[in-house]
Amino acid sequence: DQQVKQNSPSLSVQEGRISILNCDYTNSMFDYFLWYKKYPAEGPTFLISISSIKDKNEDGRFTVFLNKSAKHLSLHIVPSQPGDSAVYFCAASGNQFYFGTGTSLTVIP
Amino acid sequence: DGGITQSPKYLFRKEGQNVTLSCEQNLNHDAMYWYRQDPGQGLRLIYYSQIVNDFQKGDIAEGYSVSREKKESFPLTVTSAQKNPTAFYLCASSYGGPRYEQYFGPGTRLTVT
Repeated sequence: DQQVKQNSPSLSVQEGRISILNCDYTNSMFDYFLWYKKYPAEGPTFLISISSIKDKNEDGRFTVFLNKSAKHLSLHIVPSQPGDSAVYFCAASGNQFYFGTGTSLTVIP
Repeated sequence: DGGITQSPKYLFRKEGQNVTLSCEQNLNHDAMYWYRQDPGQGLRLIYYSQIVNDFQKGDIAEGYSVSREKKESFPLTVTSAQKNPTAFYLCASSYGGPRYEQYFGPGTRLTVT
């Protein structure tokens, strides 16, 4: 049973516009959330995280929003750049990490 | 230059053979993890270790075994009991448990025919 879900397998965005990637989770005990970025045939790299005591965390062009009541988090990338094209995984932490299935982002120049 | 290394990048084996995937880290991390990635699925946890000489099963441990004799090393053996061993295997490490971001290696793609 998938505890972390990314319902959009892919997303295409024009360069310079905002990319919004979404993630839903089912377990209300999760209290730490992360986003990872992955290029083909490479391991994921950590992007940004948020604790459940916050509802927003920002790092440069990347902002993660957490809506605990909806059990939903999102990653905003603005402005989007072609180098952002990759697969993005969200992860939630309880006693272990649970990963979503990933969203493939394509930023069109 | 600190990081996690996995070798080899590609591995081919015949069905019925055991195979061991290597994972080494020089980040001085206590915790290490093994994940499996299949097309259309997220990363699924196979085994993890919080400390030397101790490890725990993840969600899909059947058909796999691990050892943690040294802090730097966490090899994964895919045994012949694993029904669908062909996959992309990722090793990760972190300073501690699930309050710390994990650092991933480049992965090993295992193909069993």
